[in-house]
Amino acid sequence: GAGVSQTPSNKVTEKGKYVELRCDPISGHTALYWYRQSLGQGPEFLIYFQGTGAADDSGLPNDRFFAVRPEGSVSTLKIQRTERGDSAVYLCASSERGLSEQFFGPGTRLTVL
Amino acid sequence: DAKTTQPNSMESNEEEPVHLPCNHSTISGTDYIHWYRQLPSQGPEYVIHGLTSNVNNRMASLAIAEDRKSSTLILHRATLRDAAVYYCILRDGIQGAQKLVFGQGTRLTINP
Repeated sequence: GAGVSQTPSNKVTEKGKYVELRCDPISGHTALYWYRQSLGQGPEFLIYFQGTGAADDSGLPNDRFFAVRPEGSVSTLKIQRTERGDSAVYLCASSERGLSEQFFGPGTRLTVL
Repeated sequence: DAKTTQPNSMESNEEEPVHLPCNHSTISGTDYIHWYRQLPSQGPEYVIHGLTSNVNNRMASLAIAEDRKSSTLILHRATLRDAAVYYCILRDGIQGAQKLVFGQGTRLTINP
């Protein structure tokens, strides 16, 4: 079956611009996660949704980052006033429920010039 | 989540077994040991997990020390496709910290 998909695969933007990154989880998975990965580092947790609500947003670095999942399926990570330090690969994962195996998408590589 | 310690890198030869160690001396009684791996330019993928007993699946085996302070991921016959970064992660099965806390992992190189 279809796995987790993320769009776009690459995004290049200029400092100060707004970006949206999309995640399509595996159908029927109630849990959805966002992580980001800087070069040479392991993925770092950003936010976790259970259904439509953000159950844990403790990893969002500041208020420029926001994520939504309005219908409990597709999620969008939104970054305002991008900074060069936001450059990273943003990974999305989904799971059947909170503690089960997480399935990751291929990621969106964000480059802020 | 309790912390894990892994070697930064390891190297092995194709078709030989590989033993990837992980230390987790502060593991609690309800922590499960999970392993994920990340192939180049891909997202991480689940490999295996266990609590106390050794576990086997089609990808690998997980050997857990009796005191649970360490574990070893075993790839029985490495292929070039197994070259990846391997992450050992603890997850609380009761409190339910749903997020995965990744460390630096072990970069495994497989020589042909």
